[in-house]
Amino acid sequence: RKEVEQDPGPFNVPEGATVAFNCTYSNSASQSFFWYRQDCRKEPKLLMSVYSSGNEDGRFTAQLNRASQYISLLIRDSKLSDSATYLCVVILFSGGYNKLIFGAGTRLAVHP
Amino acid sequence: DGGITQSPKYLFRKEGQNVTLSCEQNLNHDAMYWYRQDPGQGLRLIYYSQIVNDFQKGDIAEGYSVSREKKESFPLTVTSAQKNPTAFYLCASSPRGGGQGNEKLFFGSGTQLSVL
Repeated sequence: RKEVEQDPGPFNVPEGATVAFNCTYSNSASQSFFWYRQDCRKEPKLLMSVYSSGNEDGRFTAQLNRASQYISLLIRDSKLSDSATYLCVVILFSGGYNKLIFGAGTRLAVHP
Repeated sequence: DGGITQSPKYLFRKEGQNVTLSCEQNLNHDAMYWYRQDPGQGLRLIYYSQIVNDFQKGDIAEGYSVSREKKESFPLTVTSAQKNPTAFYLCASSPRGGGQGNEKLFFGSGTQLSVL
């Protein structure tokens, strides 16, 4: 089982739709969680951190469910510019130091 | 403007050849990292460095080498021992190390390496 798993998609949605992605992680000792956005053949960029209490930034909402070991990203009122790959990142304290583990990403395609 | 610069954007390697990917940052960050990205896989850590003159192997260091002689620079050499080098390589930095990173990473724009 992969340490961090994401549905690769693609999720094809019309403009204005609401779409949600999940990301599951295998190690219950994971400490911190993030969503990154990556456009095709570009560098990943931090979208938002994920907290147990939830985190909202405009149209984007991230949630953490420690009991079920998954994080989610909800995008409301999708825009064409939201089309990208969304990477789930988990930080695990292992071997005496922090280790970042990246998911393979979920591709979102928003169409007119 | 501060940032991370990777060069070249595209690189071609002949069989048996060593090639070096450049990564320079002017963010005054202590920690720097090299990742490899393959289709359908998450980023995998090749090497990282928390301070000058120190670096550690990541998960897939075989066939690669690095140096950290200056704070600003962390070049990656893909040696002939790396039998499957075709991938998208990303360099990143963060203000402090704490291992492999515990806060926001700043990424360069990447280098696509292909084998001729």
